[in-house]
Amino acid sequence: DSGVTQTPKHLITATGQRVTLRCSPRSGDLSVYWYQQSLDQGLQFLIQYYNGEERAKGNILERFSAQQFPDLHSELNLSSLELGDSALYFCASSVVEGNSPLHFGNGTRLTVT
Amino acid sequence: AQSVAQPEDQVNVAEGNPLTVKCTYSVSGNPYLFWYVQYPNRGLQFLLKYITGDNLVKGSYGFEAEFNKSQTSFHLKKPSALVSDSALYFCAVREGGDYKLSFGAGTTVTVRA
Repeated sequence: DSGVTQTPKHLITATGQRVTLRCSPRSGDLSVYWYQQSLDQGLQFLIQYYNGEERAKGNILERFSAQQFPDLHSELNLSSLELGDSALYFCASSVVEGNSPLHFGNGTRLTVT
Repeated sequence: AQSVAQPEDQVNVAEGNPLTVKCTYSVSGNPYLFWYVQYPNRGLQFLLKYITGDNLVKGSYGFEAEFNKSQTSFHLKKPSALVSDSALYFCAVREGGDYKLSFGAGTTVTVRA
């Protein structure tokens, strides 16, 4: 068990809808990362937060947004969903930035119908 | 821009035989290299990392990796593979000063009994 908790585990929704994915990092970890894993795109970095501040942005669509709250949990908001957004969304956390290994949650599987 | 390549989609070995999973990287500065393993329906688990120092890095579950700067490679190895090593393996690279961790496409390892 990595100590990173993601909810929900599965999410099925329709095109055009909006969903929120939640992540609780390991106790003591200040950095939170979001990744999208799909068969055709592999593991894509979306965004990173450190102690509440956005630090790095990857291939995150404008329809997607995220934030990290004062208690360090993070939420990834996906709106105007399209079929192509169906994927496994992972949250990871680390103690600090730099060379600390990432600890991944078990992911949220999003299916857009 | 940093990138990592895993040239083999699949690696098949017999139990007890040596296992090698290949990884090459491209960065403009100093690389920080990582290996992760993913079991079905689970998040990625950290195996080992190279930051600096000894080119041979030892990690979890008997795995090790050799950093080769001239060949820009960071191959994962295990002297004697187990059936339980069957999983999806990811190489990742972070360039010094960058927050983003970039993953390769992954290599599926199958160890047959």
